[in-house]
Amino acid sequence: KNEVEQSPQNLTAQEGEFITINCSYSVGISALHWLQQHPGGGIVSLFMLSSGKKKHGRLIATINIQEKHSSLHITASHPRDSAVYICAVRGDNQFYFGTGTSLTVIP
Amino acid sequence: EAGVAQSPRYKIIEKRQSVAFWCNPISGHATLYWYQQILGQGPKLLIQFQNNGVVDDSQLPKDRFSAERLKGVDSTLKIQPAKLEDSAVYLCASSLVGRISSSYNEQFFGPGTRLTVL
Repeated sequence: KNEVEQSPQNLTAQEGEFITINCSYSVGISALHWLQQHPGGGIVSLFMLSSGKKKHGRLIATINIQEKHSSLHITASHPRDSAVYICAVRGDNQFYFGTGTSLTVIP
Repeated sequence: EAGVAQSPRYKIIEKRQSVAFWCNPISGHATLYWYQQILGQGPKLLIQFQNNGVVDDSQLPKDRFSAERLKGVDSTLKIQPAKLEDSAVYLCASSLVGRISSSYNEQFFGPGTRLTVL
């Protein structure tokens, strides 16, 4: 059983749609990260959360510590948002990664 | 601010050959991580350094993989000899501190090295 589960695994959306990616985890954590990985392998850190909600431009991340759940929302999606989005949590002095959600935004 | 640097970006070798990857973390970052990401999977932590000491290498296949960070700055990851299943992207990341209680533990990732073993 994976310590971090993401859903959906794959997601296709039309440009402009509101997108939600979910992450559930089973370990005690000190922080949760949302990462973006483009084809070619480079990873960019989008958010680091320990409580509540954060917003950067069209991206919003929320976390519910009691329910061990986080969501990443993309408003007004754009083809350049197409990437793999990975949820990672830090617990027991190590990181646990989800397998990622592959997002394709169609013009 | 310069990011995490890795080289080479791509490497193709035959099985049983040796290969080495290099990583230069962000200046001042005490913690350095090496991850292996097989196609279609999330990254898997291979080894974590705090300065020049190893914090966690429990998932490092020590019969063929080795890593060092001698001066607490840049690091090398070596595979000797390589197997077909080592084909993956090898990611290096760094963070300011690695203590679990610290809030300053955001990781910054390098571009990765894509290894193909034939």
